[in-house]
Amino acid sequence: GQSLEQPSEVTAVEGAIVQINCTYQTSGFYGLSWYQQHDGGAPTFLSYNALDGLEETGRFSSFLSRSDSYGYLLLQELQMKDSASYFCAVRDGGSQGNLIFGKGTKLSVKP
Amino acid sequence: ETGVTQTPRHLVMGMTNKKSLKCEQHLGHNAMYWYKQSAKKPLELMFVYSLEERVENNSVPSRFSPECPNSSHLFLHLHTLQPEDSALYLCASSQDSAGGGNTGELFFGEGSRLTVL
Repeated sequence: GQSLEQPSEVTAVEGAIVQINCTYQTSGFYGLSWYQQHDGGAPTFLSYNALDGLEETGRFSSFLSRSDSYGYLLLQELQMKDSASYFCAVRDGGSQGNLIFGKGTKLSVKP
Repeated sequence: ETGVTQTPRHLVMGMTNKKSLKCEQHLGHNAMYWYKQSAKKPLELMFVYSLEERVENNSVPSRFSPECPNSSHLFLHLHTLQPEDSALYLCASSQDSAGGGNTGELFFGEGSRLTVL
């Protein structure tokens, strides 16, 4: 079957750095995406990695290792507004390359 | 308006009712999706439409019936639902149908929270 594993909850303090890991097992792979969802809000796109390595966008970075079927989202200089759920998603190898999502990691940022 | 808009935001229905969820995207995208989000579970892909044609039906029960009259609008018709169908139903769009294409980016609406009594 296809699955993505990520921690269910992470807690950190303001100003800290937090890393959310994602391991995947899919029938094919085109790329790894990350989404943020605040309570009651829409999931919003953060990043996409199709190739190995680190992609940086402001305070957020995303890493991919295709050989390890592993990626992570790195959040730096945490702010209270970063409290949200974070989902990793894989474009699978099917004919449509649809997005398969993980269960999400709920990040709580404390003062 | 911009982005992806879903109505209604909240819906309560009995098991014998018929209702519909509506989604509209103002982004000029070619693909639209329905996802189901339940607590403690991954987002589940239900249907994918590309250029108004259904290209994916992810083993969804027939009590859920999608309709895509044009590339900007997507409906999910609901009838004889079960309490376990209570969930947040999310609509999304992307430039093409391949899971967000080369950017892996889907644009989501805020969802319709459905409660089945």
